[in-house]
Amino acid sequence: AQKITQTQPGMFVQEKEAVTLDCTYDTSDQSYGLFWYKQPSSGEMIFLIYQGSYDEQNATEGRYSLNFQKARKSANLVISASQLGDSAMYFCAMREGHNTDKLIFGTGTRLQVFP
Amino acid sequence: EAGVVQSPRYKIIEKKQPVAFWCNPISGHNTLYWYLQNLGQGPELLIRYENEEAVDDSQLPKDRFSAERLKGVDSTLKIQPAELGDSAVYLCASSLGGSAETQYFGPGTRLLVL
Repeated sequence: AQKITQTQPGMFVQEKEAVTLDCTYDTSDQSYGLFWYKQPSSGEMIFLIYQGSYDEQNATEGRYSLNFQKARKSANLVISASQLGDSAMYFCAMREGHNTDKLIFGTGTRLQVFP
Repeated sequence: EAGVVQSPRYKIIEKKQPVAFWCNPISGHNTLYWYLQNLGQGPELLIRYENEEAVDDSQLPKDRFSAERLKGVDSTLKIQPAELGDSAVYLCASSLGGSAETQYFGPGTRLLVL
């Protein structure tokens, strides 16, 4: 079974609107971490936001927020006030357990922001 | 602060030729990772170093792939001989180490094997 599932291969959003990118995960560990990375066409993976499994509050970083629903095993990324520069691939990743830093990535969602 | 540096950015070789990729991590980061990213997929870990020690190389195809991090800073990933299926992006990342630390990625090397 896939550990990280991103069901949206592509998403479109108009500039200045908000968009939600979906991510569900599968783990039996109680301790884990969830990450979102952005990968523009230049290829670099840019860290956006992190949520620990024990964090009670949803993580926020500027225009990025993570909608963490532990019971549903979902960790959706919300981008508010989209900008043209947000157009990129977005990857959800999980670090499973507390004794490892190995990341497992999903297949990504391509976001296109249009004027 | 400089990010993770990788070179070359692009490489085109013929099959059966050797190829090497170089990575310079963020200063002070003692953990270094090499990932493979196939087209349309997320990155997959190949090998992880803590200082100069390879602590997880279970996903590295050791018949043709090798890596080294001799002084615990820069690292080199080598493929010999390259096959058509090795065409992919090779990403290097680094972190301060420990399970809670964020991994920071370089721009990657895009390899095309003809």
